[in-house]
Amino acid sequence: DIQMTQSPSSLSASVGDRVIITCRASQSISSYLNWYQQKPGKAPKLLIYAASSLQSGVPSRFSGRGSVTDFTLTISSLQPEDFATYYCQQTYSTPLTFGGGTKVEIK
Amino acid sequence: EVQLVESGGGLVQPGGSLRLSCEASGFTFSTYWMTWVRQAPGKGLEWVANIKQDGSEKNYVDSVKGRFTISRDNAKNSLYLQMNSLRPEDTAVYSCVRGRGIPDSWGQGTLVTVSS
Repeated sequence: DIQMTQSPSSLSASVGDRVIITCRASQSISSYLNWYQQKPGKAPKLLIYAASSLQSGVPSRFSGRGSVTDFTLTISSLQPEDFATYYCQQTYSTPLTFGGGTKVEIK
Repeated sequence: EVQLVESGGGLVQPGGSLRLSCEASGFTFSTYWMTWVRQAPGKGLEWVANIKQDGSEKNYVDSVKGRFTISRDNAKNSLYLQMNSLRPEDTAVYSCVRGRGIPDSWGQGTLVTVSS
């Protein structure tokens, strides 16, 4: 199985900050990498698919980069509604594993 | 509007069985892979199983192989998860998700609690 490692597991940031979350795969997954945002009590929301494609309706302050094993999710200017937990997921091979999550908290 | 509504969760004793259902609407169900994902209380997301459009291919995470069975009825726009030999570690919210490579729509989930 492919292991997905996210870092950091949590971070504190202020509104307007640039935030970068990383995700590393235990083997090559090409660009088969998605990013999700989850707020408490809510279903996850797809933000980025195929490593860098912005899902329809997602603000452009979210961006994704990377390929092979190393990926990043960047929030260019953190907004109050962005405080949430973020997950990466590889869709290269089953089981389609998720990272452990990164909780973004208010500083 | 895409809607995915899960049902069938509840409290079950270890070793018991449950059948989860997911009713889909707002899209052509028969043209999408469908997936089950679970989330234990206070924990992260875990992919459980998926099924091809015509049901000809099914995949499972190792921890549920031989115990869980994913199925679908395209005539009823419904996805199912038959869960047997349940264990306490299966306690989670189980969510139905549209898609495989681009899982773009998620249900709110149904809570399964395995406890004596």
